[in-house]
Amino acid sequence: DTGVSQNPRHKITKRGQNVTFRCDPISEHNRLYWYRQTLGQGPEFLTYFQNEAQLEKSRLLSDRFSAERPKGSFSTLEIQRTEQGDSAMYLCASSRGRLSYEQYFGPGTRLTVT
Amino acid sequence: AQTVTQSQPEMSVQEAETVTLSCTYDTSESDYYLFWYKQPPSRQMILVIRQEAYKQQNATENRFSVNFQKAAKSFSLKISDSQLGDAAMYFCAYRSAMEYGNKLVFGAGTILRVKS
Repeated sequence: DTGVSQNPRHKITKRGQNVTFRCDPISEHNRLYWYRQTLGQGPEFLTYFQNEAQLEKSRLLSDRFSAERPKGSFSTLEIQRTEQGDSAMYLCASSRGRLSYEQYFGPGTRLTVT
Repeated sequence: AQTVTQSQPEMSVQEAETVTLSCTYDTSESDYYLFWYKQPPSRQMILVIRQEAYKQQNATENRFSVNFQKAAKSFSLKISDSQLGDAAMYFCAYRSAMEYGNKLVFGAGTILRVKS
């Protein structure tokens, strides 16, 4: 069990550019979650997958955001035409299933949009 | 929609003493889970303790215990014998027990400082 990993750990981009983040969950976990955390705030839910199916999306997830989880393994979160308001920590978490209480979090990807 | 409120932006405690972090929540559901997560500086978030709403007994994990008051919708965390390693941001979180209920709803967090 190597834990949830996220890459890159830090990303600096210019406004208007596209960025993509990757999350590798714990191998036997079929549920994967994305959250966004701005400075001084708690994480806010963005979306979650059960295997490869995206089952819920927050209204925070505008049409510039897209997430995928091909083959139910790793997941990517893409932000198109980045804005300064997208600057945040993007957290990924995974869990074993619906009856599993605990979500295991990755270290996050810190995005800075200049 | 469920909301979680942590009214203490920052708390301090002397090493070896006890501190209580407050959390209140709002929900119309009767079955749910409550959690306290710890986020050390520049490190990933880890689960400290959880409470099932249908259980009347308060959860305990070593030096960490909760005071769960369902009617008051209150869920405080008590840390006994505080250690320097307890310094972190602490988040209270809610999760529905419904089939669709998977996401965690977090409070804004409380920074805990431990003084030696």
